[in-house]
Amino acid sequence: NAGVMQNPRHLVRRRGQEARLRCSPMKGHSHVYWYRQLPEEGLKFMVYLQKENIIDESGMPKERFSAEFPKEGPSILRIQQVVRGDSAAYFCASSAGARNEQFFGPGTRLTVL
Amino acid sequence: AQRVTQPEKLLSVFKGAPVELKCNYSYSGSPELFWYVQYSRQRLQLLLRHISRESIKGFTADLNKGETSFHLKKPFAQEEDSAMYYCALSGLTGGGNKLTFGTGTQLKVEL
Repeated sequence: NAGVMQNPRHLVRRRGQEARLRCSPMKGHSHVYWYRQLPEEGLKFMVYLQKENIIDESGMPKERFSAEFPKEGPSILRIQQVVRGDSAAYFCASSAGARNEQFFGPGTRLTVL
Repeated sequence: AQRVTQPEKLLSVFKGAPVELKCNYSYSGSPELFWYVQYSRQRLQLLLRHISRESIKGFTADLNKGETSFHLKKPFAQEEDSAMYYCALSGLTGGGNKLTFGTGTQLKVEL
């Protein structure tokens, strides 16, 4: 089992462009969490999804950010019209159940120029 | 609101010395507390959770509800313990296990 996969590992975008971050959960896991880590801060929860459903998006900014976890394929975190403040490390975690241990991916480091 | 505080950004100890990484939390209900560790160039991984009451790699942590603390301890530090340590909290909210993290403590074990 390769563990949680995230790609790309590094992503550079100019202001106003779109960023798409992908997360493939561990085999058999149907729960996905996205976290963001700004410089010098801890990880902050963004969104929790199960297959085809957003369960909790209380940590998502109201505009420009969206997430999905389709029936087939990876979970996608999409940031439209990126701004410099979006520069951060974005981590995905997956679990087998709602209260099970979360396994983290290596993260995607987004840099907005 | 739930919050996790790790007051030390960096903790430096000598090999063989005791280690205590501090963690305080605020939460109005009954939280579940965790310690995560990130070794150099590796991904974040769970070290221990308070409900397990286990000792992992010699580390223990006791939940003190009176002091709202969950400090991580090890009697004798080893060089391989050098890493970034994050304390995290999960509230028993409806559905899911979203985690609130502290800002982390970098542990450096010197020879």
